[in-house]
Amino acid sequence: GQNIDQPTEMTATEGAIVQINCTYQTSGFNGLFWYQQHAGEAPTFLSYNVLDGLEEKGRFSSFLSRSKGYSYLLLKELQMKDSASYLCAPMDSNYQLIWGAGTKLIIKP
Amino acid sequence: NAGVTQTPKFRVLKTGQSMTLLCAQDMNHEYMYWYRQDPGMGLRLIHYSVGEGTTAKGEVPDGYNVSRLKKQNFLLGLESAAPSQTSVYFCASSLAGEAETQYFGPGTRLLVL
Repeated sequence: GQNIDQPTEMTATEGAIVQINCTYQTSGFNGLFWYQQHAGEAPTFLSYNVLDGLEEKGRFSSFLSRSKGYSYLLLKELQMKDSASYLCAPMDSNYQLIWGAGTKLIIKP
Repeated sequence: NAGVTQTPKFRVLKTGQSMTLLCAQDMNHEYMYWYRQDPGMGLRLIHYSVGEGTTAKGEVPDGYNVSRLKKQNFLLGLESAAPSQTSVYFCASSLAGEAETQYFGPGTRLLVL
């Protein structure tokens, strides 16, 4: 079956760095997306990885290891506005996104 | 560009009532999707469309119907609402299905009593 595993909740301090891990099992693989979702709002696109390695985009970076079925999202210089849920979503062989339940990130001053 | 819009934003239904949720996008996207999001669960795909006039079932299609008569609109219908359909419904669209970013509407919060 298809399965996504990511921590339910994480807490970090403003200005710090946090890494959100995601492990996945899918039928085929066509890349992995990370989305951010603030409470009561729609998910918004953060990153897409299809090859192994690190993709850096400002304060956010995303890493992929296809052989391990593993990805992480790295957030640097945390700001209060980064308090949100982060959704890991690999794309299967049918180009369907398989969504994790998300990691709720709480930022404390 | 308004992006993806959804109507209504919030609705309360009684069990057995019917309703239609409307999704519209102005980005000329080919693919459109309907998801539901429930607490503690990932987004689940209800139905999707790869182009005008075509629809396909997703992971949880039972109790829902869809239509894509115009490229920019994707309608989700509930024929006889049940309390289990209480959820937040998100519409999304993408340029195409293959590794393209999906853009989401603001969501419709549906409560079925």
